[in-house]
Amino acid sequence: LAKTTQPISMDSYEGQEVNITCSHNNIATNDYITWYQQFPSQGPRFIIQGYKTKVTNEVASLFIPADRKSSTLSLPRVSLSDTAVYYCLVAASGNTGKLIFGQGTTLQVKP
Amino acid sequence: GAVVSQHPSRVICKSGTSVKIECRSLDFQATTMFWYRQFPKQSLMLMATSNEGSKATYEQGVEKDKFLINHASLTLSTLTVTSAHPEDSSFYICSAPETSEETQYFGPGTRLLVL
Repeated sequence: LAKTTQPISMDSYEGQEVNITCSHNNIATNDYITWYQQFPSQGPRFIIQGYKTKVTNEVASLFIPADRKSSTLSLPRVSLSDTAVYYCLVAASGNTGKLIFGQGTTLQVKP
Repeated sequence: GAVVSQHPSRVICKSGTSVKIECRSLDFQATTMFWYRQFPKQSLMLMATSNEGSKATYEQGVEKDKFLINHASLTLSTLTVTSAHPEDSSFYICSAPETSEETQYFGPGTRLLVL
């Protein structure tokens, strides 16, 4: 399973766009990139998943360059409720196999 | 989306006793489920893969005799912490892949406190 590296923490203000970048230099051809969000004392919640280029849903966008060695989660116009830990994961079988969590990025949104 | 539940949500027990934690997939079947442990301010650590109808697969360093896993049906996996000690106090989380959606759902977690 490819290892991921993310910033430990980030600060932002309400209404701003937040971009969290994840490095996964050893990503394999059949690996997908998945992002999860976790609030304190809760289980992780799926945000978005992609393989290449750009994926967008109602919550976020995921940008993946051609070499797939990194990815960027973009959260538009964050609010205080977006304060959480964000995990970037890389795994084969899409999102249905064993998942290895890295340290995650703690995002603090300030008023 | 699909839902995974855990029971109990929190439990306090005395040192030396055993505690069982249930993980259920409520509206889908899961032949595989995963168990994680999370200490304060740390990431999730995969403990084991629960396989319906067969033995669980444990990650390196996880004692299989201490953390008993039973996956008796396609919607239920249980984790039993045997002879619990204060160092076993942690947040235990399960997950279940929903293969038709190609995604994985996590339970809300169980907070275990061993006194």
